[in-house]
Amino acid sequence: DSGVTQTPKHLITATGQRVTLRCSPRSGDLSVYWYQQSLDQGLQFLIQYYNGEERAKGNILERFSAQQFPDLHSELNLSSLELGDSALYFCASSARQGAYEQYFGPGTRLTVT
Amino acid sequence: GQQLNQSPQSMFIQEGEDVSMNCTSSSIFNTWLWYKQDPGEGPVLLIALYKAGELTSNGRLTAQFGITRKDSFLNISASIPSDVGIYFCAGQLRGSNYKLTFGKGTLLTVNP
Repeated sequence: DSGVTQTPKHLITATGQRVTLRCSPRSGDLSVYWYQQSLDQGLQFLIQYYNGEERAKGNILERFSAQQFPDLHSELNLSSLELGDSALYFCASSARQGAYEQYFGPGTRLTVT
Repeated sequence: GQQLNQSPQSMFIQEGEDVSMNCTSSSIFNTWLWYKQDPGEGPVLLIALYKAGELTSNGRLTAQFGITRKDSFLNISASIPSDVGIYFCAGQLRGSNYKLTFGKGTLLTVNP
């Protein structure tokens, strides 16, 4: 158990819909990272937050957004969903900004039908 | 974006055998990490490497940060059935701050 929690574990929704994925980092970790994992693209970095502020962006679509709240939990919002958004979404956390030892949560499997 | 070439893509070995896998890139990395992912779960950090030439062990696992800083190797000795899973390398590209780039993974199957 990494100490990172993610909810829900599974999510099935229709195209065009909007969903919110939730992540709680390890106790004391200030950085949260979001990743998308699909069969053809592997693990792709989406976005990073540190202590409530956005710090780095990767291959995140404009339809996707995220935020980190004062209690350090984070949410990833996916809107106008397309079939190709079906993937595993992972949250990871690290102790400090720029720490490269990231600890991953169990993931949310999103299926868009 | 930058690519990490991880090989082999898959391996089928007998229990007790040693395993080697590697990641290479045309770019220089400041940090290399190795993760293992079991089906339906998140990647678990195995080893972190921070200096060129560094050799680090974690039980039966040994990883090395290549001297050129463009590659890394992971060895597993005396494999056991629970070693089955997907192994990912990840690197922090020089100048990329907080972003990790992941390899596509090596699927390891261990036959008892």
